[in-house]
Amino acid sequence: GAVVSQHPSRVICKSGTSVKIECRSLDFQATTMFWYRQFPKQSLMLMATSNEGSKATYEQGVEKDKFLINHASLTLSTLTVTSAHPEDSSFYICSAIPIYEQYFGPGTRLTVT
Amino acid sequence: EDQVTQSPEALRLQEGESSSLNCSYTVSGLRGLFWYRQDPGKGPEFLFTLYSAGEEKEKERLKATLTKKESFLHITAPKPEDSATYLCAVQATNTDKLIFGTGTRLQVFP
Repeated sequence: GAVVSQHPSRVICKSGTSVKIECRSLDFQATTMFWYRQFPKQSLMLMATSNEGSKATYEQGVEKDKFLINHASLTLSTLTVTSAHPEDSSFYICSAIPIYEQYFGPGTRLTVT
Repeated sequence: EDQVTQSPEALRLQEGESSSLNCSYTVSGLRGLFWYRQDPGKGPEFLFTLYSAGEEKEKERLKATLTKKESFLHITAPKPEDSATYLCAVQATNTDKLIFGTGTRLQVFP
């Protein structure tokens, strides 16, 4: 149990376009999901906390207008990177909590050209 | 400020050579300390949660321990398939957020 999926696993987009990443909890409901960003050989940095039915809470320094988060249901949260730039290229990972521990998705590799 | 420091940054072991990874932390109030394993290009895989000093948990060749200031992940007789980055994270009271350390990259050679 406690499976979290992400789609797509890899995406390449052109600078200036928007990209949507989906995070789903497959076998449990999650009122809260988290979005992280990870640069090569670095640790996970929390970007925002996604709350079902309400606005996301963003960490300091994260642009909320650039990284749009929508927690549409108890099993789905989406992260949209708007007007993507090459510096947005990174590994994006979501997580959710079935009971107490955070379980992570497999990640999405975003490359902006 | 809540903080997590992991050492060493990288560790190379011969197969069968036991060792320990360290996670030092400062947190206003510890709700839980978590260990994850991460393979390249994948999301972290949950290993253990420790809640209070003195607690120990084991899973196959891995054993995690916790004191008031640090946690150790002991690897007994490691195999090449144990090669990965091991991440430590703490959770403070009254929050679901995790604060991660930078990880230890473990390589086990046959």
